[in-house]
Amino acid sequence: EVQLVQSGAEVKKPGESLKISCKGSGYSFTSYWIGWVRQMPGKGLEWMGIIYPGDSDTRYSPSFQGQVTISADKSISTAYLQWSSLKASDTAMYYCVRHLVGGYFDYWGQGTLVTVSS
Amino acid sequence: EIVMTQSPATLSVSPGERATLSCRASQSVSSNLAWYQQKPGQAPRLLIYGASTRATGIPARFSGSGSGTEFTLTISSLQSEDFAVYYCQQYNNWPPTWTFGQGTKVEIK
Repeated sequence: EVQLVQSGAEVKKPGESLKISCKGSGYSFTSYWIGWVRQMPGKGLEWMGIIYPGDSDTRYSPSFQGQVTISADKSISTAYLQWSSLKASDTAMYYCVRHLVGGYFDYWGQGTLVTVSS
Repeated sequence: EIVMTQSPATLSVSPGERATLSCRASQSVSSNLAWYQQKPGQAPRLLIYGASTRATGIPARFSGSGSGTEFTLTISSLQSEDFAVYYCQQYNNWPPTWTFGQGTKVEIK
């Protein structure tokens, strides 16, 4: 069974750093792109970027380029989403997704809620 | 960036009735369009890809159509579990600049 299991909810202060994770299981982790999708409170879905764990090729949405870093450790089948300096506007639910050839997302993680507040 | 516009924002439907949701792209995305369902407190779920192909396990009452810039998701006979928010997503380009629509909420009339 394909599963994407994300790390737990985080509460941070503005300016702090953060790295959240997404562990894949039940499939060949290095053979599928993994992406991240943001959902701000009460809002819609925004695609942030993707990484191919096999060779770490990474692509970002122009809206998120330079704002976050996506990485992966294929040895432990885990992808990451990282911020160096959080802002209140980063408060959102973040989903990791498995991307199939073409660009749609067939499996979703359960989501990680990130709250940034002073 | 390709802008995806969904209509209506909210659709009020009685159980057993048909629901028709629209998604328009600001430029052609061919058939590179997916639909997702999101229930409160849950992650989205893939319903349709390639504009008209149902994902694994999706009931036949869900159908997708369209190509180019105009797409439709039809739920033939709404069940109680279908009341949710539905998003379309285009994936037409590489390098990717994929975008979602703003969502249509299907509520009980």
